[in-house]
Amino acid sequence: NAGVTQTPKFQVLKTGQSMTLQCAQDMNHNSMYWYRQDPGMGLRLIYYSASEGTTDKGEVPNGYNVSRLNKREFSLRLESAAPSQTSVYFCASTGLHTGELFFGEGSRLTVL
Amino acid sequence: SQQGEEDPQALSIQEGENATMNCSYKTSINNLQWYRQNSGRGLVHLILIRSNEREKHSGRLRVTLDTSKKSSSLLITASRAADTASYFCATDPIDTGRRALTFGSGTRLQVQP
Repeated sequence: NAGVTQTPKFQVLKTGQSMTLQCAQDMNHNSMYWYRQDPGMGLRLIYYSASEGTTDKGEVPNGYNVSRLNKREFSLRLESAAPSQTSVYFCASTGLHTGELFFGEGSRLTVL
Repeated sequence: SQQGEEDPQALSIQEGENATMNCSYKTSINNLQWYRQNSGRGLVHLILIRSNEREKHSGRLRVTLDTSKKSSSLLITASRAADTASYFCATDPIDTGRRALTFGSGTRLQVQP
């Protein structure tokens, strides 16, 4: 049972490049989330999807877009990467709204 | 803005001692959760306490919640070197309209063998 799987684990981009972070969960969870983690700031919510077919903005959505492709998959896209988007990105899922979250191992993104 | 703020930011203790971490939050909540993060890894759920509960235990973990003070504490008893990690509180706020947890900035715990 893989849980929450994120790809890629590491990525280096140049300013202005685009990329998509992929997330998939195999626990049949309804809700999925994207957080970013920066030193000393904990986790901040970027976007979430409470159920298949819905997406909502979180605390820091600017510069990002998301797609809930199906119940399993929730992707995060950076259309034009900026150095301020250098961070560790975590995908999480839960079967109950705001119940226990299951996290992926993170995607470490550096924007030069 | 961060809903939860942990205190202290960093804590260093000897193996066998107890470790206490505190979390304060700003708005009314449905529940509060604690997570652990080992270096370079994802977060792992430890315990959830609902707003109508005052104390909860799980193994060597004890969590208290004081909704009148908007604060929670996590106690790890008889700590082990393997408890070295960062610990985060997360709240489910009632009135944000956003169905997602809000995390604090964490406490880094170092347990010396």
